[in-house]
Amino acid sequence: SQTIHQWPATLVQPVGSPLSLECTVEGTSNPNLYWYRQAAGRGLQLLFYSVGIGQISSEVPQNLSASRPQDRQFILSSKKLLLSDSGFYLCAWSLVREGRTEAFFGQGTRLTVV
Amino acid sequence: RKEVEQDPGPFNVPEGATVAFNCTYSNSASQSFFWYRQDCRKEPKLLMSVYSSGNEDGRFTAQLNRASQYISLLIRDSKLSDSATYLCVVRVDYKLSFGAGTTVTVRA
Repeated sequence: SQTIHQWPATLVQPVGSPLSLECTVEGTSNPNLYWYRQAAGRGLQLLFYSVGIGQISSEVPQNLSASRPQDRQFILSSKKLLLSDSGFYLCAWSLVREGRTEAFFGQGTRLTVV
Repeated sequence: RKEVEQDPGPFNVPEGATVAFNCTYSNSASQSFFWYRQDCRKEPKLLMSVYSSGNEDGRFTAQLNRASQYISLLIRDSKLSDSATYLCVVRVDYKLSFGAGTTVTVRA
């Protein structure tokens, strides 16, 4: 069965510090991978998605970047965090099956920038 | 205009009641539709896919209206454990767009 691992679960970082969140998927190959952010009391905002190694699509201009160095690894980064980067970051994977694409989420990283 | 819009609620209902809510989407080229459930401070989890003909999964019924571009979710015989935020999800190609969620609270 497929599993998705995301870490760390919680993170407190000072403004201006770098960020690296990692997500890995097991049990499948060539998944579509996604990074979402959820601000407190709000919906999920799609930040990046990737359909293959080295292929990154960015949805919104921001202080973050993403990379996919391996098929099942997706990394979210920032060189200098802002207060507004605080939120709940969720990695997800999906496969197209029978014309449908269901997404499955990691447990999320709760980031607080102080 | 947001890609996916939902009534945020909250819907406060007694146990055993029926509750229903909708979600509208803006892109007529949307291909797949889903309902996810999110408990407080947890990751979203797939509740059910929504098929063109409508579908049921136990006490949950989902409907799709492509002409009016909305999907709906109905929960029958509500349980306390149904209290959660329900997220509407729409797919266009590889992109999955989420609504902000509808909060449902079932009270004893």
